[in-house]
This record gives sequence, structure tokens and C-alpha cells, in this order.
Amino acid sequence: GEDVEQSLFLSVREGDSSVINCTYTDSSSTYLYWYKQEPGAGLQLLTYIFSNMDMKQDQRLTVLLNKKDKHLSLRIADTQTGDSAIYFCAESMSAGAGSYQLTFGKGTKLSVIP
Amino acid sequence: DAGVTQSPTHLIKTRGQQVTLRCSPKSGHDTVSWYQQALGQGPQFIFQYYEEEERQRGNFPDRFSGHQFPNYSSELNVNALLLGDSALYLCASSAPTDTYEQYFGPGTRLTVT
Repeated sequence: GEDVEQSLFLSVREGDSSVINCTYTDSSSTYLYWYKQEPGAGLQLLTYIFSNMDMKQDQRLTVLLNKKDKHLSLRIADTQTGDSAIYFCAESMSAGAGSYQLTFGKGTKLSVIP
Repeated sequence: DAGVTQSPTHLIKTRGQQVTLRCSPKSGHDTVSWYQQALGQGPQFIFQYYEEEERQRGNFPDRFSGHQFPNYSSELNVNALLLGDSALYLCASSAPTDTYEQYFGPGTRLTVT
């Protein structure tokens, strides 16, 4: 079955790097995602990676995918107080005809200490 | 360019009542998915609409139903509300060529008393 696991909390100092980890169980996942949710808000798509890639970099964000271990990580360089939020890992699989359903973890709450 | 919009922002209902939530997708998007996010949890997939038909459904009872209109906007209906239906309901839309990229709206916070 599908299951996505994340640690619940992470605390870092401003200016340091943050690394948020995620494991997933479904080896047929096509895309893996990182979403950000600020208090009282919806989900913001930060980045995603196709399952045949190992790494993707986008400005301060680096995503690493270890498909053998079913492990995904998000590294945020030079973490700022504005990065404080809940970060969700998600996987998706194609259900055919261009349809994708996302399965989310419970989220990691990132707290940035000034 | 307006993103995904949802209405209302907040809603309070009583057990047993029915509720309708609305979603307008991002411009150029034709596929709408609905998710339920309970407090402290990740979003859970309810269903997805494309070409005015339910294309995919998650593990939710028949009390949850939906509709998609010709302009691609969508409604989520929940009948016979239970206390456990209290949650943030999120709508996500995606484009015809990039259905794996789902963009979320701000959500509707439903409280059932």
C-alpha cells in the first residue's frame, strides 16, 4: 500500500541549512513532491522530482532521491525565518489517462530560530 | 493571473446537515482534485474531476460527492455531516499537459458542531 513517513519536527538556526527527510513505500511512484504550508493557508508547491532523477536543484532548494531506499530529502540552504512552516512530502502515481493522485505524509514542522 | 480560489473561507455546520464547497481552478487548468486535511495531518485525496466526470476516487464514503461545471469549476458536497468531517478542505487544479503538477487553493475550514 501507499505510505509516506516524515519526522514531525525540525529546528534550525537562521542561516544554517535545513534537511527534511521522507520515506515512501510505493516503488511505482512516478513523481515525488515537496509542498509548504504556512499557518492557516493552503499548500504551496515548492518543487517536485521525477522518479528517474537523483537530484534537482532550484535556487536555495535541493531535492535528493534515493529510489533504492525509497528516501527523499529537501535541503534548504541559508534558512530564513520566513521558511518556518510545515513541509509535506507527497508521492503520486499515474492512474491512467493522465490522472495523478497525491499521497501525503503528515508533515514536518520547521522552526527557524533567529 | 488568479490562482485556485475557494469559497467560503470558513463554515460552521451542525451534525446531520449538508454542505457545499466551491472551487475555481487556476486559469488554463481543467482538472480539479479535492483533499481533506484533518488537524495535524496531511491532506487525504477525496476525488478528482475531469471533463465533468469523476475520474478517480479515494477512500471516502458516498456522503462525499462532487460536480464539475463546463467552465471547469467544481463543487464538493457532503451530506449527513459528522463531527469527524471537521477539517480543512483543499481544492487543487492541474493543466491538461501537466496533470502531475497540482496547485492548491487556500482551503475551506469546515467545523461541524
